[in-house]
Amino acid sequence: AQSVTQLDSHVSVSEGTPVLLRCNYSSSYSPSLFWYVQHPNKGLQLLLKYTSAATLVKGINGFEAEFKKSETSFHLTKPSAHMSDAAEYFCGSQGNLIFGKGTKLSVKP
Amino acid sequence: DSGVTQTPKHLITATGQRVTLRCSPRSGDLSVYWYQQSLDQGLQFLIQYYNGEERAKGNILERFSAQQFPDLHSELNLSSLELGDSALYFCASSVGLDFRETQYFGPGTRLLVL
Repeated sequence: AQSVTQLDSHVSVSEGTPVLLRCNYSSSYSPSLFWYVQHPNKGLQLLLKYTSAATLVKGINGFEAEFKKSETSFHLTKPSAHMSDAAEYFCGSQGNLIFGKGTKLSVKP
Repeated sequence: DSGVTQTPKHLITATGQRVTLRCSPRSGDLSVYWYQQSLDQGLQFLIQYYNGEERAKGNILERFSAQQFPDLHSELNLSSLELGDSALYFCASSVGLDFRETQYFGPGTRLLVL
């Protein structure tokens, strides 16, 4: 069965510095993966999803994720954090709608 | 704004009671999904309806049930409520029935069972 693990429950960065949110997956077949963001008191919004067309996936708000089969990873990155990026981020599997436990991103001024 | 609406926003009730949560999908979307988000279990997929029919089940308890009506709105019924059912319940919608389609989430209903 496909599953995902978010390696950090909380990540704190300074505004203007890079963001890295880590997600590993386990799957016996080619996975379909996504990242969602949840701002406080809001529903989830899709950031990006991996469809196997390209290993580097670009999403909204400057985020991107790279699918690395050799490392079974799908980490989310952004070159420069903005205060508005403070939120909770969920990695997950599209095939069975399994979500990771979430990573809370804090952005310090 | 995702276009998905959920009512009520907040619900406080007692153990043993029954509640109904309502969801209206985006215009044109035929699939509705229900999720439960709690501190213990994280975000869990409960059930999917497509054009009025149940299509997929996740970790939904037998005490919980859902339906989708001809106008495509959906209701999640939670009965014999327990303290552990306190959570944020989201609904999401998508155009078709494929899980890989983009889902649009509503703002959620926060349920507190006392």
